Amino acid sequence: QVTLKESGPGILQPSQTLSLTCSFSGFSLSTSGMGVGWIRQPSGKGLEWLAHIWWDDDKRYNPALKSRLTISKDTSSNQVFLKIASVDTADTATYYCAHYDYDAYAMDYWGQGTSVTVSS
Amino acid sequence: DVVMTQTPLSLPVSLGDQASISCRSSQSLVHSNGNTYLHWYLQKPGQSPKLLIYKVSNRFSGVPDRFSGSGSGTDFTLKISRVEAEDLGVYFCSQSTHVPPFTFGSGTKLEIK
Repeated sequence: QVTLKESGPGILQPSQTLSLTCSFSGFSLSTSGMGVGWIRQPSGKGLEWLAHIWWDDDKRYNPALKSRLTISKDTSSNQVFLKIASVDTADTATYYCAHYDYDAYAMDYWGQGTSVTVSS
Repeated sequence: DVVMTQTPLSLPVSLGDQASISCRSSQSLVHSNGNTYLHWYLQKPGQSPKLLIYKVSNRFSGVPDRFSGSGSGTDFTLKISRVEAEDLGVYFCSQSTHVPPFTFGSGTKLEIK
């Protein structure tokens, strides 16, 4: 059973770095074909894909945000991390992590999301 | 980036009705490997999105057979044969053929008439 759970600071100030953690179970990121990514959703709005990382450490970023994003993984602890530098109010959103199926190339299991507010 | 356009934005239905949602992409979603990476998600109120359909027409595990997906190239459709109360929420289409970035449609809200 694949499960994912996001955690984050809840609130932070403009210009700070947002650090998010995705803790998962039911699969291993050392297994071929496995991937985890991050997607965000401002309240009442649509979905924006941010980044994902594959079992072989291949990393992909949204070009619009690439300069501010860093994704990494700790296979031994079943965690994936996302850092977003220099946040501003536009980064206020619910952040989801999701498991990727390599064959379908779709996000097949999602976490419950963690709400992040950027405010001074 | 591939732009995904969904219609309608809102779809009022009666329980038991058939519902149909359209998704159009700004370029063909046929990958060089022959696959078409067009997917559908449902986000119920207060929940995270759930995968319904992947690669145009494949139902994800546990998805009822009243959900079906079809289409090709740039035009795709999600059909719900007999809407039930548990089907209400926002439906998103998404493409993963031309990445990065993965892109999503703006969503279609299925609601009771």
